[in-house]
Amino acid sequence: QKEVEQNSGPLSVPEGAIASLNCTYSDRGSQSFFWYRQYSGKSPELIMFIYSNGDKEDGRFTAQLNKASQYVSLLIRDSQPSDSATYLCAVKSNTGKLIFGQGTTLQVKP
Amino acid sequence: EAGVTQSPTHLIKTRGQQATLRCSPISGHTSVYWYQQALGLGLQFLLWYDEGEERNRGNFPPRFSGRQFPNYSSELNVNALELEDSALYLCASSIFKGTGTYEQYFGPGTRLTVT
Repeated sequence: QKEVEQNSGPLSVPEGAIASLNCTYSDRGSQSFFWYRQYSGKSPELIMFIYSNGDKEDGRFTAQLNKASQYVSLLIRDSQPSDSATYLCAVKSNTGKLIFGQGTTLQVKP
Repeated sequence: EAGVTQSPTHLIKTRGQQATLRCSPISGHTSVYWYQQALGLGLQFLLWYDEGEERNRGNFPPRFSGRQFPNYSSELNVNALELEDSALYLCASSIFKGTGTYEQYFGPGTRLTVT
């Protein structure tokens, strides 16, 4: 089992829809959870950080964390073509090790 | 405000040589992370430095090493280069601001090619 798993996609949604990206992790001791957006040929950009169970909202983005079920998700409301990118989930253990998933490619179609 | 900077942009070395990559964090950031992004392998965590100390490292051999200087800039050294070390090396600086706020920015990367 991979330490951090994401569906590679591509996930295709129409413009204006909600995109839902999921990530599961294996280490129950994980403390912090991150979502990054990476456009092709560019460096990753941190878009969400969450460490408490529940939802965290920032603009059109909502991160949802469920430590009991060991998953973290990212919802993008009112998806725009400019949201088309690879979304990386990362999980930080209580020792500071940061493990990335392989990323999910999102395509938002006009 | 200047972002995270990395040098050089590109580096070409031959197998067996040593490579040194540099990273300057955003002012006020005390943590520096190094990652390797090889084609088809995603982003792999290499090293984490905070306040001048190595806090953790990923599953890489000891020939990958580094340090963080008093001004929080950092250096990654790769000894005895192998062909599979060819990758984009990314540096990120970060700071936890408390109240659930975490700030992290990536540099543009150093493309290392080993021939």
